[in-house]
Amino acid sequence: RKEVEQDPGPFNVPEGATVAFNCTYSNSASQSFFWYRQDCRKEPKLLMSVYSSGNEDGRFTAQLNRASQYISLLIRDSKLSDSATYLCVVNVRSGGSNYKLTFGKGTLLTVNP
Amino acid sequence: DAEITQSPRHKITETGRQVTLACHQTWNHNNMFWYRQDLGHGLRLIHYSYGVHDTNKGEVSDGYSVSRSNTEDLPLTLESAASSQTSVYFCASSEGRTGRETQYFGPGTRLLVL
Repeated sequence: RKEVEQDPGPFNVPEGATVAFNCTYSNSASQSFFWYRQDCRKEPKLLMSVYSSGNEDGRFTAQLNRASQYISLLIRDSKLSDSATYLCVVNVRSGGSNYKLTFGKGTLLTVNP
Repeated sequence: DAEITQSPRHKITETGRQVTLACHQTWNHNNMFWYRQDLGHGLRLIHYSYGVHDTNKGEVSDGYSVSRSNTEDLPLTLESAASSQTSVYFCASSEGRTGRETQYFGPGTRLLVL
């Protein structure tokens, strides 16, 4: 099982749609979880951290299920500007106080007018 | 404003040549990282550093080296470039050792090895 697996996509949705991305991780010792956004030919940028209780930031909702080792991202009322690749990222302690971010391959979202 | 920069942004080189990619951050972060991004793979960690004179190997470190002589810079050297090292390289920095830190990425360097 790959360390971080995401829906392969691509997702093509109309403006205003709700879209959900799923991600699973294999290492039960994973400490923290994130969604990063990457625009075409640009660097990744943090979209939001994912907390055990779930968290919301405007139109974006992230949820974590540690028992199932599953992370999700829900985008409501999609905008054209949401078109990007969404990266599921897991932070695992790799020894002592060293941590390693492991990135999923990303899911491409295109929001159409 | 604090930032992280990479240079060059694009580089074409030949097999066997030594190449150095620069990364400079003005966040005053202790932690710096180098990743490569290829189609069909997520970002993969090459090397990282938690402070001056500290360097550690990541999952794809063969053929690469780094050195950290100050807080601001972590240059990545390809000792003898190979076509398999054609990729987009991202540098990142963060502060803290809790595992919950945000990593801030530079704009990337596109490297083509012919």
